[in-house]
Amino acid sequence: GAGVSQTPSNKVTEKGKYVELRCDPISGHTALYWYRQSLGQGPEFLIYFQGTGAADDSGLPNDRFFAVRPEGSVSTLKIQRTERGDSAVYLCASSLGPNNEQFFGPGTRLTVL
Amino acid sequence: EDQVTQSPEALRLQEGESSSLNCSYTVSGLRGLFWYRQDPGKGPEFLFTLYSAGEEKEKERLKATLTKKESFLHITAPKPEDSATYLCAVQAILSGAGAQKLVFGQGTRLTINP
Repeated sequence: GAGVSQTPSNKVTEKGKYVELRCDPISGHTALYWYRQSLGQGPEFLIYFQGTGAADDSGLPNDRFFAVRPEGSVSTLKIQRTERGDSAVYLCASSLGPNNEQFFGPGTRLTVL
Repeated sequence: EDQVTQSPEALRLQEGESSSLNCSYTVSGLRGLFWYRQDPGKGPEFLFTLYSAGEEKEKERLKATLTKKESFLHITAPKPEDSATYLCAVQAILSGAGAQKLVFGQGTRLTINP
């Protein structure tokens, strides 16, 4: 079966621009997570969705970051006024429920010039 | 605050040379400890979940164990294809927000030379 997919795989943008990163979770998984991974570090939590609602957005670094999951499946992470410090790999994960194993997608590598 | 520390940061072994990776954690209450494998340019791949001290799980050449303060990932007679970064993460027992996130260590970069 298909795993978690993320598009694009790579995104290069200029400082100040707006970007959207997309995540397609495993079919039937109700929980969806976004993490950010910098080089040489482990993933850091950003936001968690249970169904359509953001149940925990405590990891979002500031109000330039926003995520939606309008139909309880696909999610989009949106970053406004990008900064060079936003450059990282953005990982999406999904799980059957909130206390089940999380399965990760391949990530989107974001580079802000 | 929940914390996870992995050691060593990097480990280089010869093929067939067994060793262990360490994951030390502090968490208010442990719901689960997770091990993932990550290859360069890929997302983390789930390996194991451990829930309570004394629990052990095995998969091929890997065995994960758990105590109240740390977890070990034992690698027996490794092969070059076991080369990867191994990540440890904890999930805390909480009510409400924060209960589902994973807190990761920085990983151990393992290289197995033929």
